[in-house]
Amino acid sequence: DAKTTQPTSMDCAEGRAANLPCNHSTISGNEYVYWYRQIHSQGPQYIIHGLKNNETNEMASLIITEDRKSSTLILPHATLRDTAVYYCIVRVGYSTLTFGKGTMLLVSP
Amino acid sequence: GAVVSQHPSRVICKSGTSVKIECRSLDFQATTMFWYRQFPKQSLMLMATSNEGSKATYEQGVEKDKFLINHASLTLSTLTVTSAHPEDSSFYICSARSDAGGGETQYFGPGTRLLVL
Repeated sequence: DAKTTQPTSMDCAEGRAANLPCNHSTISGNEYVYWYRQIHSQGPQYIIHGLKNNETNEMASLIITEDRKSSTLILPHATLRDTAVYYCIVRVGYSTLTFGKGTMLLVSP
Repeated sequence: GAVVSQHPSRVICKSGTSVKIECRSLDFQATTMFWYRQFPKQSLMLMATSNEGSKATYEQGVEKDKFLINHASLTLSTLTVTSAHPEDSSFYICSARSDAGGGETQYFGPGTRLLVL
């Protein structure tokens, strides 16, 4: 029973912005949107999370639609080291993180 | 940012032996830690949730007598794979939830790759 839908894979040129979409049409009012990424053979890395408002940190920006049914993770200037599987997860604050299949982002020179 | 370490990073063992994996939160306290397993080309699957000072909660299908979890302090959880068999070969990843602030964010260790011969 997937709570989020993400494209299987995406490509991005180095230096360009990578925009990763996520659909979460059944999200409830108290569920946050979290993004993690997993570089090959490493543990997942926390990127960003948000509830309603757009968020930005040193790694990325998170844009959440007004109806909260979808969101976009933006890596403003993708580098080769951003090649990874990106997971969009919705959860209530203290609930366990459940991982789907994510989006495999390939950043090419 | 919060750092979680795991030791060892990789281990090769013979079938029938036991392997212990340590997970430490280096710069924060974690009442709750999690153990995940990841097979090749698959996503992470939660195995169990461990709370400091109490018994772990295992997910359906995970044998608690085979995967022993101990969370004796606020910065250390261990996973022991007992009587390991080749089908236990996998990438084991721990995660810790910081007690500070809202406590919502989970931080992950680098993973331990287990190969059982």
